[in-house]
Amino acid sequence: GAVVSQHPSWVICKSGTSVKIECRSLDFQATTMFWYRQFPKQSLMLMATSNEGSKATYEQGVEKDKFLINHASLTLSTLTVTSAHPEDSSFYICSAARAGPTDTQYFGPGTRLTVL
Amino acid sequence: QKEVEQNSGPLSVPEGAIASLNCTYSDRVSQSFFWYRQYSGKSPELIMSIYSNGDKEDGRFTAQLNKASQYVSLLIRDSQPSDSATYLCAVNMGNAGNMLTFGGGTRLMVKP
Repeated sequence: GAVVSQHPSWVICKSGTSVKIECRSLDFQATTMFWYRQFPKQSLMLMATSNEGSKATYEQGVEKDKFLINHASLTLSTLTVTSAHPEDSSFYICSAARAGPTDTQYFGPGTRLTVL
Repeated sequence: QKEVEQNSGPLSVPEGAIASLNCTYSDRVSQSFFWYRQYSGKSPELIMSIYSNGDKEDGRFTAQLNKASQYVSLLIRDSQPSDSATYLCAVNMGNAGNMLTFGGGTRLMVKP
């Protein structure tokens, strides 16, 4: 299998607070993990690519100081939304790619963030 | 011009029919192609990957790749209402680090 988990599945927070989302590959090692955001009725938007042990690569327009990504091990990456605002409310989805030549990405179940 | 293009739909087919989903991509060096299914409010799940020209079958699903025409398609035979979802085409355009470029998705509706 290739199972990816995310925690929490949903979170509601007040404006100005920070929220951490965890992404874990449960049965394989993931050298690369990806963080996406998806607004209602829109397509996936890649936010950043994270490689174990190195700094994340952010897509254009994504603030790295606001969306902190840590990829501390081959099975865990975290995304912290700092000083969240209502416009950050979205569906955040991670994916993980196995170590090795294959480039298949397996998605986590997503985290729905609502900022009040 | 978008790098991976899909018709947004909705594509409506009757139950039991064949649904044909199409995707074109712009980068000729692309090597890896994927179809994901995404139900409303859920994350994408992998249906199939295809790397070589021709057809690849898995159960009711057949992926077809034509690199010369820069075209990849997904056929769903014996469509079921449970197949109603958005189907995302994804392409590895030769980027480092396994990054995929996604199309906007095609919404499929299978009517009983």
